[in-house]
Amino acid sequence: QVQLVESGGGVVQPGRSLRLSCAASGFTFSNYGMHWVRQAPGKGLEWVAFISYDGSKKYYADSVKGRFTISRDNSKNTLYLQMNSLRAEDTAVYYCAKDRVPTVMLSNFDYWGQGTLVTVSS
Amino acid sequence: DIQMTQSPSSLSASVGDRVTITCRASQSIDNWLAWYQQKPEKAPKSLIYGASSLQSGVPSRFSGSGSGTDFTLTISSLQPEDFATYYCQQYNSYPFTFGPGTKVDIK
Repeated sequence: QVQLVESGGGVVQPGRSLRLSCAASGFTFSNYGMHWVRQAPGKGLEWVAFISYDGSKKYYADSVKGRFTISRDNSKNTLYLQMNSLRAEDTAVYYCAKDRVPTVMLSNFDYWGQGTLVTVSS
Repeated sequence: DIQMTQSPSSLSASVGDRVTITCRASQSIDNWLAWYQQKPEKAPKSLIYGASSLQSGVPSRFSGSGSGTDFTLTISSLQPEDFATYYCQQYNSYPFTFGPGTKVDIK
């Protein structure tokens, strides 16, 4: 069965960096686009970033563009989110999510990880 | 960017009730619309894609309709496990955007 397991969250000071990972299993990871979605405490869902199945296409929300970098290692079935210059408003649970349709740029998500909490605070 | 709105923001209903949630896009998204259910402290779960297609394993009491800018999610007979927050999402173009959510709680 499909499993997505995020890790790497924690407490970090403003201006510092953090890298999140999402370990995937139960499907052919290299065939699917992947996303990061976040949810601030008590708030709604915010899409953060997308990477295509082969890593050739990446898109970002304006709120993180230039500070966050999405990447993937298809040999390790792992998705990453490098977060630099962190701000208090980046505090959220970060979810990785899998595209439902393989090898496309536009798809809804069919599976989500359990999330990892990032807290940006001094 | 495409803005998504939902109404109502919250509703109270009883088991067995028919519940309808509305989602509106700021511009046409054809049928590139998904619905997700989220329970407290849990990850979202996919319910519907393509505005009206049921995700595998989702009970048939859930249905979706609409096209263009106006969409609805209907729960035909509310069950205890359906009390949750529901989000619509457009995936017509980047950046993907979610509606603000509709919380369904017990009357």
